[in-house]
Amino acid sequence: RKEVEQDPGPFNVPEGATVAFNCTYSNSASQSFFWYRQDCRKEPKLLMSVYSSGNEDGRFTAQLNRASQYISLLIRDSKLSDSATYLCVVNILTGGGNKLTFGTGTQLKVEL
Amino acid sequence: NAGVTQTPKFRILKIGQSMTLQCAQDMNHNYMYWYRQDPGMGLKLIYYSVGAGITDKGEVPNGYNVSRSTTEDFPLRLELAAPSQTSVYFCASRNGGGPDTQYFGPGTRLTVL
Repeated sequence: RKEVEQDPGPFNVPEGATVAFNCTYSNSASQSFFWYRQDCRKEPKLLMSVYSSGNEDGRFTAQLNRASQYISLLIRDSKLSDSATYLCVVNILTGGGNKLTFGTGTQLKVEL
Repeated sequence: NAGVTQTPKFRILKIGQSMTLQCAQDMNHNYMYWYRQDPGMGLKLIYYSVGAGITDKGEVPNGYNVSRSTTEDFPLRLELAAPSQTSVYFCASRNGGGPDTQYFGPGTRLTVL
């Protein structure tokens, strides 16, 4: 089983739609959680951290369910500029320090 | 701040050649990382460093070497390049005493023919 699993998509949605991405992780010792955004042929950039209480940043809402080892990202009122790949990232504290494990990403295409 | 910079942006190597991918950061971060990303795959950790003079292997270290003589620089060395090393290489850094957020460089696209 992969450490971090995501539906690769692509998710093709019309502008203005609401879209949700899911992610599951296998290591219960995972400590912190993130969504990164990666544009085509570019580096990943932090979109938002994910907290147990859930957190919102404008049109983006992230949720964490530790019991089910499940993370979600909701994007409301999708814009063309939201088209990208969204990476679910899990941080595990190991003997060697923090280790980030990346999912393979979910591709989003927002269309007119 | 320039953030994390990487050179070169692109490179084509022949099998058996060697090269060094350069990475530098100007944020005084003590943690630095090298990842590779193959098409349709997640990022895989090659090597990381928690400070100058300290390096450790990640998930896929074979065929690579690193050094960390200064806080700013973390070069990745490929000896005897193989087609399996064709990938996009990202360097990242993080403030060890701060949030877990990693900041990535723009990447180096390497093709081994």
